[in-house]
Amino acid sequence: QQQVKQSPQSLIVQKGGISIINCAYENTAFDYFPWYQQFPGKGPALLIAIRPDVSEKKEGRFTISFNKSAKQFSLHIMDSQPGDSATYFCAARVYQAGTALIFGKGTTLSVSS
Amino acid sequence: ETGVTQSPTHLIKTRGQQVTLRCSSQSGHNTVSWYQQALGQGPQFIFQYYREEENGRGNFPPRFSGLQFPNYSSELNVNALELDDSALYLCASSGQGQGSDTQYFGPGTRLTVL
Repeated sequence: QQQVKQSPQSLIVQKGGISIINCAYENTAFDYFPWYQQFPGKGPALLIAIRPDVSEKKEGRFTISFNKSAKQFSLHIMDSQPGDSATYFCAARVYQAGTALIFGKGTTLSVSS
Repeated sequence: ETGVTQSPTHLIKTRGQQVTLRCSSQSGHNTVSWYQQALGQGPQFIFQYYREEENGRGNFPPRFSGLQFPNYSSELNVNALELDDSALYLCASSGQGQGSDTQYFGPGTRLTVL
């Protein structure tokens, strides 16, 4: 119940295309859903985040779509660029253990030029 | 504004040894969380410290312990190292109160146990 399931494991998109990464959860106590971007050898960096009372949030080329009834949320990267090639993690926050983040297993995105 | 820093960058230990990893939180942040990231996996929550007290703990054995200091910096100690402890250890800091949702991660410490 504490899991966040992320798919796909890897994704190859052409430059200018749309990258879509999906996550699903079971625990309705999750109250905050961030997406992190991680480059090799670096720590995760926050990309965009959403709360469950909002169905969509857009920041630049990045959009989160949130479906509370289906317990699913997704990241859309519009006009994907080679510089977007990285590993993306969805996460969910739970208050049971401090304010722990529960992460998905990650999606490795490669944007070909 | 100084970001989250961690030391050392890399560390090699042998099985059974003990290790201490250090983290300096971002300026103004009073909460520090530690995560373990195995190769090819997402980070897993170890524990969190708030105002020098352990505020929550994930599914890690007691040989993983920590401290937070009055300046909000933190240490992660791992005793009796096992091969499976080889991972990237990440520290994240966050504030308290409104707008404090975000956890800001440091670059991590890569621990190799031989």
